[in-house]
Amino acid sequence: DSGVTQTPKHLITATGQRVTLRCSPRSGDLSVYWYQQSLDQGLQFLIQYYNGEERAKGNILERFSAQQFPDLHSELNLSSLELGDSALYFCASSARWDREYEQYFGPGTRLTVT
Amino acid sequence: DQQVKQNSPSLSVQEGRISILNCDYTNSMFDYFLWYKKYPAEGPTFLISISSIKDKNEDGRFTVFLNKSAKHLSLHIVPSQPGDSAVYFCAATRARDDKIIFGKGTRLHILP
Repeated sequence: DSGVTQTPKHLITATGQRVTLRCSPRSGDLSVYWYQQSLDQGLQFLIQYYNGEERAKGNILERFSAQQFPDLHSELNLSSLELGDSALYFCASSARWDREYEQYFGPGTRLTVT
Repeated sequence: DQQVKQNSPSLSVQEGRISILNCDYTNSMFDYFLWYKKYPAEGPTFLISISSIKDKNEDGRFTVFLNKSAKHLSLHIVPSQPGDSAVYFCAATRARDDKIIFGKGTRLHILP
């Protein structure tokens, strides 16, 4: 158990809809990262937050957004969903921004868009 | 543009033998490399890392070798055990950078 929790574990929704994925980092970790893993792709970095502020952006679509709240949990919002958004979405956390390479991953949320 | 490449989607190794997983990268600015292991229905877990100033790092049965001139790294698992069956991701980053670049992973099967 990494200490990172993600909810829900599975999500099935229709095209055009909007969903919110939630992540609670390990106790004390200030950095939260979101990744997308599609069927034939590796882990694609989406976005990072550090102590409530956006720190880095990767291959995140404009239809996607995220935020980190004062209690350090984070939410990833996916809107106008398309079939191609079906993927595993992982959240990870790390203690410090300068050692973010040692990240602790949650179990993921599997999103299926039908 | 795939900066971190794992060209073998899968690898099968006999239990007790050595498993060698390979990874190539294109960005010479990377200075830290990592391996993550992933079981089904779980998130990736950190396995071992190596700084670009080293050419080898060992942790128990796991050793990572780095060849900077070839932009190549490899993960050796000796001896391979059934619990090593998983997907292994190679990743790279720059110091004080804000993102890790992952490869697509190699699925390792340890055969009895």
